[in-house]
Amino acid sequence: DAKTTQPTSMDCAEGRAANLPCNHSTISGNEYVYWYRQIHSQGPQYIIHGLKNNETNEMASLIITEDRKSSTLILPHATLRDTAVYYCIVKKRGSARQLTFGSGTQLTVLP
Amino acid sequence: GAVVSQHPSRVICKSGTSVKIECRSLDFQATTMFWYRQFPKQSLMLMATSNEGSKATYEQGVEKDKFLINHASLTLSTLTVTSAHPEDSSFYICSASAGGSAGDTQYFGPGTRLTVL
Repeated sequence: DAKTTQPTSMDCAEGRAANLPCNHSTISGNEYVYWYRQIHSQGPQYIIHGLKNNETNEMASLIITEDRKSSTLILPHATLRDTAVYYCIVKKRGSARQLTFGSGTQLTVLP
Repeated sequence: GAVVSQHPSRVICKSGTSVKIECRSLDFQATTMFWYRQFPKQSLMLMATSNEGSKATYEQGVEKDKFLINHASLTLSTLTVTSAHPEDSSFYICSASAGGSAGDTQYFGPGTRLTVL
């Protein structure tokens, strides 16, 4: 599975949009982009995933560039409870395929 | 939907004893379950992949005789840490994937904090 690069940390003001970037320049055509987050001392929480179209759900939006070499996770109105480590993971489809976690981005939402 | 539970949430045991951790998919059938380990200030590391009714596949460096995995049903997988030692103290997290038409998104349990004295 392709490797991803994320900033180590980011801050965001409460109520503002949080935009978390991810580079995956070696992504192949059948690999999806998944986003998870991990709040301290909890298991990771699934946020969203996509292949090439932009996706939106109740938690966030995922914007994937046309060349698919990078993506941005958008939390439209960040709250203090969104403070967590956010992981961008590229993975081929298939239930038997594991997720490979990198270092992620520590997002801190400031009051 | 897509809820995964783990039990216990935390356990403290003496060195040399065995500890069993349960992972359950509550509202879906999981064809595949994964076990991860996370040490302080580090990311999750995959330990093993298990498919219902078959032997688990362990990652390199993970002792299969020490970390026994059983996936006897589509909703339950167990991880037993045998003869636990202080260096096994860690945060153990399972995930489950339904697969097939239900998709292969993995959903994670809340984790089990193991402390070996």
